[in-house]
Amino acid sequence: DAGITQSPRHKVTETGTPVTLRCHQTENHRYMYWYRQDPGHGLRLIHYSYGVKDTDKGEVSDGYSVSRSKTEDFLLTLESATSSQTSVYFCAISLGGGTDTQYFGPGTRLTVL
Amino acid sequence: AQKITQTQPGMFVQEKEAVTLDCTYDTSDPSYGLFWYKQPSSGEMIFLIYQGSYDQQNATEGRYSLNFQKARKSANLVISASQLGDSAMYFCAMEDSNYQLIWGAGTKLIIKP
Repeated sequence: DAGITQSPRHKVTETGTPVTLRCHQTENHRYMYWYRQDPGHGLRLIHYSYGVKDTDKGEVSDGYSVSRSKTEDFLLTLESATSSQTSVYFCAISLGGGTDTQYFGPGTRLTVL
Repeated sequence: AQKITQTQPGMFVQEKEAVTLDCTYDTSDPSYGLFWYKQPSSGEMIFLIYQGSYDQQNATEGRYSLNFQKARKSANLVISASQLGDSAMYFCAMEDSNYQLIWGAGTKLIIKP
């Protein structure tokens, strides 16, 4: 199994508070991704990174920011959480981009009240 | 726009029977990749199989095979000799022109003993 951990695994927060989710990998993979999973939508890409300090937006990036200061860590921040951001968040990594297989972390269940 | 469609929201199959999960895609790119992932009730996303658009042969991985019909733009997953542990959500995904994965809504497969 790919060495990917996410923290926290579960979080309940209130509307308007900032939240940061962490993804940590031990595989030294170049690419890292943040997805959200909602019923009926499959997975949707929020942001991704193709190297330290190199990030780009995905399909549903509004309300989210990311940072990658080290190869192994990719942080997702909700600056001011809203109830529509209640979701399960998955981090994924891949050696390269494109058709390189993405391997997923265990997920974080976030509830915004 | 590129799109993945999984038309079967749910399926019931008798143990030991073969299963075909449907996936159709829409893209105008000549080069693309197709992936299948499994998500058991525990929540993790598990990579199953990959097919490249230029691959001459259908991909196989153990009991999983991909019935790739390029002209029909379909990439159905076939599971042979189903087992109780195959009960899960199954997602089809395609690499888009920006080298990102776009995902179908998934099929919930239940294997009956």
